[in-house]
Amino acid sequence: EDQVTQSPEALRLQEGESSSLNCSYTVSGLRGLFWYRQDPGKGPEFLFTLYSAGEEKEKERLKATLTKKESFLHITAPKPEDSATYLCAVQGAGAGSYQLTFGKGTKLSVIP
Amino acid sequence: GAGVSQSPSNKVTEKGKDVELRCDPISGHTALYWYRQSLGQGLEFLIYFQGNSAPDKSGLPSDRFSAERTGGSVSTLTIQRTQQEDSAVYLCASSLSTFQFFGPGTRLTVL
Repeated sequence: EDQVTQSPEALRLQEGESSSLNCSYTVSGLRGLFWYRQDPGKGPEFLFTLYSAGEEKEKERLKATLTKKESFLHITAPKPEDSATYLCAVQGAGAGSYQLTFGKGTKLSVIP
Repeated sequence: GAGVSQSPSNKVTEKGKDVELRCDPISGHTALYWYRQSLGQGLEFLIYFQGNSAPDKSGLPSDRFSAERTGGSVSTLTIQRTQQEDSAVYLCASSLSTFQFFGPGTRLTVL
């Protein structure tokens, strides 16, 4: 059974204070690891897909990296508008491989 | 429309009543998914439709839950005889390939 664990559950940063969010996973054959951003009262918004260990992707102040066991979402010099819950999900190669298995998310608050 | 839409955005019902939640996927997306997001929990897979294939219902929590997709487009999730534990946000997503695009969700409250 695919599993995703995200840490920390919540993170408070001062504006400009860089940090990283962690996503640890176990999956039978990784087809893809996904990062989503979710604002209150809204559906998840797609950020990145990573497919293989060593892969990195960047978007503005966000950078996602992937190893065989975990992924990190690095946030450089965050701004208050980066405040949201960040969700990590994996898609495995086993039965039901179209399903995404989600972690519980990290709630990020960036204080001005 | 440009994205996945869901209606209603909020639904308050009494225990024991039936509810229907609607999802309009992105035009041309062959795959459609329903998830449930409960407070403090991750998104929970409910059901998956792909084209004209039989849906994967393996995530439905009980036989009170059912879903259909008409004409390969709009989908309706029906919950019969609602219970308080059904209170959650129900999210719909559609995809054409790897990643899924989510709608804004329907917040269901069962009193």
